[in-house]
Amino acid sequence: DTGVSQDPRHKITKRGQNVTFRCDPISEHNRLYWYRQTLGQGPEFLTYFQNEAQLEKSRLLSDRFSAERPKGSFSTLEIQRTEQGDSAMYLCASSSTTWANTIYFGEGSWLTVV
Amino acid sequence: AQTVTQSQPEMSVQEAETVTLSCTYDTSESDYYLFWYKQPPSRQMILVIRQEAYKQQNATENRFSVNFQKAAKSFSLKISDSQLGDAAMYFCAYRSANRDDKIIFGKGTRLHILP
Repeated sequence: DTGVSQDPRHKITKRGQNVTFRCDPISEHNRLYWYRQTLGQGPEFLTYFQNEAQLEKSRLLSDRFSAERPKGSFSTLEIQRTEQGDSAMYLCASSSTTWANTIYFGEGSWLTVV
Repeated sequence: AQTVTQSQPEMSVQEAETVTLSCTYDTSESDYYLFWYKQPPSRQMILVIRQEAYKQQNATENRFSVNFQKAAKSFSLKISDSQLGDAAMYFCAYRSANRDDKIIFGKGTRLHILP
C-alpha cells in the first residue's frame, strides 16, 4: 500500500486552458475527497465520492470544475477554461467505511495559472 | 454549519520546550471526531492525533497530547519536547460522526522551532 497518489504534482498552464488531475486512493478505501488549498489557508472541501457516486459538491465547485470516479477507484478533477484564481494546491484524500472517521491525504497537485 | 477556528496564525517554541496550539469549534452535534493534522514544508498532510467526542479521556500519541473540553468546544494540541522536525503548519479539523461527511479544517497555525 503506497498511500494516496496524485498526478501531476505540479502543473503550469495558461489562462483559458483545461487541466486534469488524477488521484489514486488507498486501494481498500471506497471514499474519495477533493480539497483545494491556497497558501496560508486550510484545505477547503470541493467534492466527495463514495464508490462511483458523487455525494456532495461544494458551492466552491463552479461549472468549470468537474470530478469523476468512473469505476469507484481512481478519480479525476478537471478544470475547464482556467483562471488565475484557480491557482492552488488540489488535495485528494481517501477513507474506508470501516475507519471512516479518518481521511488520508495525498501529496497534492500544485496548479499555477499564468 | 460547523466551523473550526484557530486563533494563532503563527507560534514559535524553543527546541525541547513545550508548546500548546489552540482550536475552538462550533457545532450543534453531540457526536463527532476532532483531529490535528500536520503539514510539513513537503506539503503532505499527516494525521497527528484523533479524538472521539464521546470519550472523556484526552488522546495521547507519544509527545503529542490534546486537551479536549467538550462543553467549551475547545481542542488544543500540546507538543512536548519540541523537535526541529515538528516545524510545520498544524490544522485542527472536525468531522461529524452522525453522517458520512467531509472533514472541516481551520486556517492553521504555523509552528516554528527555534534551535
